[in-house]
Amino acid sequence: SQQGEEDPQALSIQEGENATMNCSYKTSINNLQWYRQNSGRGLVHLILIRSNEREKHSGRLRVTLDTSKKSSSLLITASRAADTASYFCATDEGTYKYIFGTGTRLKVLA
Amino acid sequence: DTGVSQDPRHKITKRGQNVTFRCDPISEHNRLYWYRQTLGQGPEFLTYFQNEAQLEKSRLLSDRFSAERPKGSFSTLEIQRTEQGDSAMYLCASRRMDGNNEKLFFGSGTQLSVL
Repeated sequence: SQQGEEDPQALSIQEGENATMNCSYKTSINNLQWYRQNSGRGLVHLILIRSNEREKHSGRLRVTLDTSKKSSSLLITASRAADTASYFCATDEGTYKYIFGTGTRLKVLA
Repeated sequence: DTGVSQDPRHKITKRGQNVTFRCDPISEHNRLYWYRQTLGQGPEFLTYFQNEAQLEKSRLLSDRFSAERPKGSFSTLEIQRTEQGDSAMYLCASRRMDGNNEKLFFGSGTQLSVL
């Protein structure tokens, strides 16, 4: 089962532009995480935001969380060709089980 | 390299055969997770362990699937009587069981193709 829905499903931008992707989820959470996956590889953790936080930054990443709307957004600033990957949000459903969304496939054109 | 290793990386089998995958997590990680991922989709939760105890199993998981984690170290996932619909990437992930370290470390996955 998948809890989250990412939007858009696919995104194509030019190098240097910002990329924004959104995640919606269904149940109460303790935290929400974003992961990145290069084609055919495992997922790599990017950033975690707790339910009592509204915004978090890490390098070129900015994550927001709105628990009233059960939604989160991931912003990648000044994108690079190397950022081309799929991005997934994951929520803990208030337990230790992590449920992933459907993903946003980002393509950054050089 | 995240420190989580999976073996084999690729497996091709004929329908009806049994297959077994192995996952070696990071040594101090108590929790171990198995996910399945099909093309264009997000990882789908299958099951997870805390040490050697299997704490939850997805309702979507048929009884042809079984997972073990003897001694709380490596884990195996077995699929019996494989079907073409089992073709997918099987991902293993682990994490430490302390309050502030919730991030998962994933292996590179085992790509299963059932012919």
